[in-house]
Amino acid sequence: GAVVSQHPSWVICKSGTSVKIECRSLDFQATTMFWYRQFPKQSLMLMATSNEGSKATYEQGVEKDKFLINHASLTLSTLTVTSAHPEDSSFYICSARYTGRFYGYTFGSGTRLTVV
Amino acid sequence: DQQVKQNSPSLSVQEGRISILNCDYTNSMFDYFLWYKKYPAEGPTFLISISSIKDKNEDGRFTVFLNKSAKHLSLHIVPSQPGDSAVYFCAASITGTASKLTFGTGTRLQVTL
Repeated sequence: GAVVSQHPSWVICKSGTSVKIECRSLDFQATTMFWYRQFPKQSLMLMATSNEGSKATYEQGVEKDKFLINHASLTLSTLTVTSAHPEDSSFYICSARYTGRFYGYTFGSGTRLTVV
Repeated sequence: DQQVKQNSPSLSVQEGRISILNCDYTNSMFDYFLWYKKYPAEGPTFLISISSIKDKNEDGRFTVFLNKSAKHLSLHIVPSQPGDSAVYFCAASITGTASKLTFGTGTRLQVTL
């Protein structure tokens, strides 16, 4: 249980275009989802916390207008990288918090974004 | 400000031996800790967690120890297997309805034959 599906697994786009990444919780309802970014050989850096039905909370230094987050349902959150530039190339990972006997966090498989 | 640190970027252990991965944190508000295993170009996979009300939690070959006074936790893998080779991240959170995870810097474990 507590599976998160993330698509696409990789995407190549041209500079100036926008890319949408989807994160779906398959077998549970996720009121809260998280979006991370990982540069090579570095840790996972939290970009924003996505709450169903409300605005996302962005971490310091993350551009809200560049990284648009939508969490319109309890099973879907999307991250749109707008007007992508080569420096946006990175590995993006979503996560959802689940509750039960314990609470935990499950992660998607990640999206490798390359902007050319 | 790196609130969760893993001071060893890499660790090499022989198959069958014990692997000990360490993690230190600075925020005394953290009360829930998790370990994840990660392969390149994949999302992290949950291994084991521990609440601050405990000092030890075991799950098969994996044991996590928590020393709150030292703000230190460790993951023990016994016996280590070649398939354990990956990057291991510790993470910490403050219990709450929208609590976020703060990740450590990661330790690359290599289990050799």
